[in-house]
Amino acid sequence: NAGVTQTPKFQVLKTGQSMTLQCAQDMNHNSMYWYRQDPGMGLRLIYYSASEGTTDKGEVPNGYNVSRLNKREFSLRLESAAPSQTSVYFCATGGGLRLATNEKLFFGSGTQLSVL
Amino acid sequence: TQLLEQSPQFLSIQEGENLTVYCNSSSVFSSLQWYRQEPGEGPVLLVTVVTGGEVKKLKRLTFQFGDARKDSSLHITAAQPGDTGLYLCAGARAYTGTASKLTFGTGTRLQVTL
Repeated sequence: NAGVTQTPKFQVLKTGQSMTLQCAQDMNHNSMYWYRQDPGMGLRLIYYSASEGTTDKGEVPNGYNVSRLNKREFSLRLESAAPSQTSVYFCATGGGLRLATNEKLFFGSGTQLSVL
Repeated sequence: TQLLEQSPQFLSIQEGENLTVYCNSSSVFSSLQWYRQEPGEGPVLLVTVVTGGEVKKLKRLTFQFGDARKDSSLHITAAQPGDTGLYLCAGARAYTGTASKLTFGTGTRLQVTL
């Protein structure tokens, strides 16, 4: 039972390069999320998907795009990477409650991205 | 804008000591969660508190939600090296959609030494 799987674990990019971070879950959850984690700032929501076929912006969406390919997969794309996007990126899935205030989040192990 | 402030930011204590971590906000949350994160891993949910004044215990960890639902605390009794990690609080707003938009705190990094 893998839970939430993120690839790659580490990536180094040059400014202006593009890349896609992959996330797959086997928990049959409806909602999926992308967060970034920076020192002293906790986790900040980039984009989320409440269900297959829908995506919405979070707190810090600029410079990113997402795609909910199917119920299992939610990818995050950096079209033109910038040094400010150096961070640790986490994908998470939610327990899928209709009233989501008490939704439990399950996180992947993260992707450490450095943009030079 | 960071809505949830945690204190202290760093805490280094010896095994057997007690400690309290605080999570404060000027905003009201419908529920508050606490997560623990170990190096190289994602956060793992410890507890959810929902009612103002609610207290939940998880072995040596005691979680409390403030009466006004604007703050929370985590108290660890007789800390052990296995408690080492980054502790994050996360608040949820009243929301009738099908996805949660948690606001995470700034984090408290705890190190427990022998």
